[in-house]
Amino acid sequence: GQQVMQIPQYQHVQEGEDFTTYCNSSTTLSNIQWYKQRPGGHPVFLIQLVKSGEVKKQKRLTFQFGEAKKNSSLHITATQTTDVGTYFCAGVAGNMLTFGGGTRLMVKP
Amino acid sequence: GAGVSQSPSNKVTEKGKDVELRCDPISGHTALYWYRQSLGQGLEFLIYFQGNSAPDKSGLPSDRFSAERTGGSVSTLTIQRTQQEDSAVYLCASSSGLLTDTQYFGPGTRLTVL
Repeated sequence: GQQVMQIPQYQHVQEGEDFTTYCNSSTTLSNIQWYKQRPGGHPVFLIQLVKSGEVKKQKRLTFQFGEAKKNSSLHITATQTTDVGTYFCAGVAGNMLTFGGGTRLMVKP
Repeated sequence: GAGVSQSPSNKVTEKGKDVELRCDPISGHTALYWYRQSLGQGLEFLIYFQGNSAPDKSGLPSDRFSAERTGGSVSTLTIQRTQQEDSAVYLCASSSGLLTDTQYFGPGTRLTVL
């Protein structure tokens, strides 16, 4: 079955440092979505990528979809304490949507 | 409503008892999902309803788990004969319909089985 892996599982950074989480799928995806879950909260949609090689930016966040549509990344520039949380990718292939295990980001002020 | 709502927000039960968790999706959303999230873990897919189609139950961990969606709106997730390993946050999400549509999550129900 379809598998979506995320690395790293955890990441501690100093405030101001950059952060990247990677999402890899065992199958080619039709699209990929990214969600953020704050501690104690529920996942909230961030963005969706559809096209091969697509890059989208939201302020300090940069999202990429690989050329083969099997991987994606989320990069945060100059992290802030408000970036703390778990970032999930979710890939759609055929009639299946699969969430990655998430990357938990901790930011030291 | 403004968003997805779930009730109760917290449920404490004794091992062996049955529990029912409720989800009210966003009005007009035809797709509804249930997930389970154990402490510090990722999202475990349980079940997916889409319109009037037969639900995708492939994620249900055992036959103690069942879900229904009445009138294409409210959904109830039932866990029979609860076990301690069922303790988790149960999240419901709804979307406009397609798998590619944004999922809007409810606040979750925290289930504790003693």
